[in-house]
Amino acid sequence: DVKVTQSSRYLVKRTGEKVFLECVQDMDHENMFWYRQDPGLGLRLIYFSYDVKMKEKGDIPEGYSVSREKKERFSLILESASTNQTSMYLCASRGPGPNYGYTFGSGTRLTVV
Amino acid sequence: QKEVEQDPGPLSVPEGAIVSLNCTYSNSAFQYFMWYRQYSRKGPELLMYTYSSGNKEDGRFTAQVDKSSKYISLFIRDSQPSDSATYLCALREGGSYIPTFGRGTSLIVHP
Repeated sequence: DVKVTQSSRYLVKRTGEKVFLECVQDMDHENMFWYRQDPGLGLRLIYFSYDVKMKEKGDIPEGYSVSREKKERFSLILESASTNQTSMYLCASRGPGPNYGYTFGSGTRLTVV
Repeated sequence: QKEVEQDPGPLSVPEGAIVSLNCTYSNSAFQYFMWYRQYSRKGPELLMYTYSSGNKEDGRFTAQVDKSSKYISLFIRDSQPSDSATYLCALREGGSYIPTFGRGTSLIVHP
C-alpha cells in the first residue's frame, strides 16, 4: 500500500514564525497535493505538484509556498505564520492514470498562537 | 450554488441499520466518483471509486451513481460502530487530476 507520511501530527507555532510541513510518499507518485481542512469549509486545495520542481497554485495559495526538490517529498511552507492559518493540513499523493484516487497522510494539526 | 452538495449531518443510526449517504452535483462533466472515509483526527482514506453511472459493490459498501439526476450515493449494510466517521464524496472531471470534494457527512452508529 502507498504510504504518505507527514512528519508531525501536532504543531504549535507563534505568530510570525516560518513553518515547514513535510510530506513523504513511498510509491514514486508524480502528483502530490496540500490541503487544509476546516470545520464547515471542508477540504481546500493550497498547492499541488505534478512533478519534481513543478508547482501549481490551488484555490487558497496566499500565505503559503511549497517546495518539491525530490519526487517523494513535498513541503508546505508558511513564510510568516498567522492565527488564521490554524488548521488541519493534509498531504496527498496520487498514482498515474485515471483510475486512481488520492492517498492522504494522517494530517498535521497546526495551531498558531 | 456549490458544485457539490453534501448534508453535514450528523446522521445517527443504530447498529445493523442500512445507511444511505448522498451527494448532489451540478457539473455534468464529472466522470469519476469517489467516496472517502475519515476517522476523527486522521486523514481521509479512499473507500470506493467508480467511473460513470451504475453501481459498484465492495463487501458491505455499495456506491451508486446516477448521472442523469446528478446524484451519487453510498450505502452501508449492517452498519457497525466502527463505521462511525465522516464520509466525503469526491468528483472529478475526465481531464483533471483535481477532484471537487463535498464537505462530508458525519455518521454515528450507536450500539
